[in-house]
Amino acid sequence: GNSVTQMEGPVTLSEEAFLTINCTYTATGYPSLFWYVQYPGEGLQLLLKATKADDKGSNKGFEATYRKETTSFHLEKGSVQVSDSAVYFCALPDQTGANNLFFGTGTRLTVIP
Amino acid sequence: NAGVTQTPKFQVLKTGQSMTLQCAQDMNHEYMSWYRQDPGMGLRLIHYSVGAGITDQGEVPNGYNVSRSTTEDFPLRLLSAAPSQTSVYFCASRRTSTDTQYFGPGTRLTVL
Repeated sequence: GNSVTQMEGPVTLSEEAFLTINCTYTATGYPSLFWYVQYPGEGLQLLLKATKADDKGSNKGFEATYRKETTSFHLEKGSVQVSDSAVYFCALPDQTGANNLFFGTGTRLTVIP
Repeated sequence: NAGVTQTPKFQVLKTGQSMTLQCAQDMNHEYMSWYRQDPGMGLRLIHYSVGAGITDQGEVPNGYNVSRSTTEDFPLRLLSAAPSQTSVYFCASRRTSTDTQYFGPGTRLTVL
């Protein structure tokens, strides 16, 4: 079935550093791919998504490109801020008709001033 | 517009006790689901519903029951709590015609 493998964390960066969080997927066909973010003490919220191959999703300075050649959807940001400290989840729909989301294990990012 | 709400925020149970985690949404979403979040395991789907009167099992349904009598509410019942059910529980909803899920703030459950 569909699945994602996400970079293990935790990741600690200094403010203004470059961020990459790796995500690779296994899927039948080309489903939409997602990055969700969980800020401390909160539920998950959608950060960005891409609906087809070669699409680039972007939001709040974060970007991810849907690459079918490498089956990857890596999350990047050029200059992280302390407020980006959170847990990031890669996700894709499962193969049921309900399109339930299957999540990666999450990567905790801490940005220090 | 409150979005997805969950109650309680925190709960401590003893082994064998029962309880219901409440979830409600005011966005008229057809699809609702329950996940549990455990360290190192991400979110795992417990049960889901594609509309009132329709429920189905997810990846880890054992020990949990659900029902969907209205579009707005999707309670999760623990019939006989076990320490293995200590976790953070999230409810989510979306329109079936879209792929963006909206999550509640979570319920942190501890079973002693």
